[in-house]
Amino acid sequence: NAGVTQTPKFQVLKTGQSMTLQCAQDMNHNSMYWYRQDPGMGLRLIYYSASEGTTDKGEVPNGYNVSRLNKREFSLRLESAAPSQTSVYFCANSRLAGTDTQYFGPGTRLTVL
Amino acid sequence: GESVGLHLPTLSVQEGDNSIINCAYSNSASDYFIWYKQESGKGPQFIIDIRSNMDKRQGQRVTVLLNKTVKHLSLQIAATQPGDSAVYFCAENTGGFKTIFGAGTRLFVKA
Repeated sequence: NAGVTQTPKFQVLKTGQSMTLQCAQDMNHNSMYWYRQDPGMGLRLIYYSASEGTTDKGEVPNGYNVSRLNKREFSLRLESAAPSQTSVYFCANSRLAGTDTQYFGPGTRLTVL
Repeated sequence: GESVGLHLPTLSVQEGDNSIINCAYSNSASDYFIWYKQESGKGPQFIIDIRSNMDKRQGQRVTVLLNKTVKHLSLQIAATQPGDSAVYFCAENTGGFKTIFGAGTRLFVKA
């Protein structure tokens, strides 16, 4: 996962608490993504950012917001955490859109009680 | 380690044997396919990709085969090693930003 950092690695929240997951890449890539991974399921796209200054909803955006702070950083915010948001969250990036290799960070494991 | 991959299909192979992991994809319009490897506690790692104008692509110890007629993708790993133990999943893309990921297959390599 060289080139992509995520913080924190682990987090436990109570229902209703808020938090921001941070992601940074030093690969100088344009597109960035946030996914969640649940047991026995494929990665699901929460939000993506095609380029600096733009963000769009993915498959499961409800309960989340994002900010593309600059070309390097893309953060994911949970305003009021719910137990259904317990998951492993991965940030990814790609040089170009869609048909291009995505590089993933090491993940944040979030538990909401 | 991570609880990712509960109830996944499992493939168990002897060290040194070849492994074949299969994937059925869903969208006949998909034109870009990727295989990822995910070790416990880590993020997915790119292995190899293939575009729809090809039916075979080889990398180092890995080969991907694409059969568009039956929407099937396979990953072949030659001379499987203990370090190959991981969850492997395929992904498909139709050209936009939304890539569809499979749940994966867990590969166990017996020494």
